[in-house]
Amino acid sequence: LAKTTQPISMDSYEGQEVNITCSHNNIATNDYITWYQQFPSQGPRFIIQGYKTKVTNEVASLFIPADRKSSTLSLPRVSLSDTAVYYCLVGEGITGGGNKLTFGTGTQLKVEL
Amino acid sequence: DGGITQSPKYLFRKEGQNVTLSCEQNLNHDAMYWYRQDPGQGLRLIYYSQIVNDFQKGDIAEGYSVSREKKESFPLTVTSAQKNPTAFYLCATSGTGAYEQYFGPGTRLTVT
Repeated sequence: LAKTTQPISMDSYEGQEVNITCSHNNIATNDYITWYQQFPSQGPRFIIQGYKTKVTNEVASLFIPADRKSSTLSLPRVSLSDTAVYYCLVGEGITGGGNKLTFGTGTQLKVEL
Repeated sequence: DGGITQSPKYLFRKEGQNVTLSCEQNLNHDAMYWYRQDPGQGLRLIYYSQIVNDFQKGDIAEGYSVSREKKESFPLTVTSAQKNPTAFYLCATSGTGAYEQYFGPGTRLTVT
């Protein structure tokens, strides 16, 4: 399993763009990079997933350089409700179904007025 | 949540008792997972099941047991052999070939 490293915490203000970078030097060829968001006392929620280059959806963008050894989650114009823990995960390749994910300690994002 | 039900939300037990946590899903997903989360920590995988009547140990399976008799259900039993069972337990599912996992609302277990 590829180990991931991300900052323990980040602070921001409402309306700013937040970029959270994750390192995964040992990523395997068939691994995807996935980001989850978790609020206190709730289960994590899927945000975005990518394999290479750039992926964008309605809530975030994910930038992955060519060597895939890192990735950056970009949250545009954050609000107070974006205060949460963000997890970067690198998933094993699918073999016969199922997907083992390894969650690190995540990045605690705090957004203030 | 939204298709994954975990009950109860809070559970209290005395030390030495086995306790079973429920996880039910109506997403028609093949794979189901159990995670444990301790305060300020990430999630750790306890057990997972890719298909009915089959399951594999995760990273911290000792002191836990599971069954997968139906596609919709994946109950987790915390046995008295689990040395520190107090934690937040999360159930998740994923579809075949999908990397995205959907999580239930969790059960907070307190053992005294």
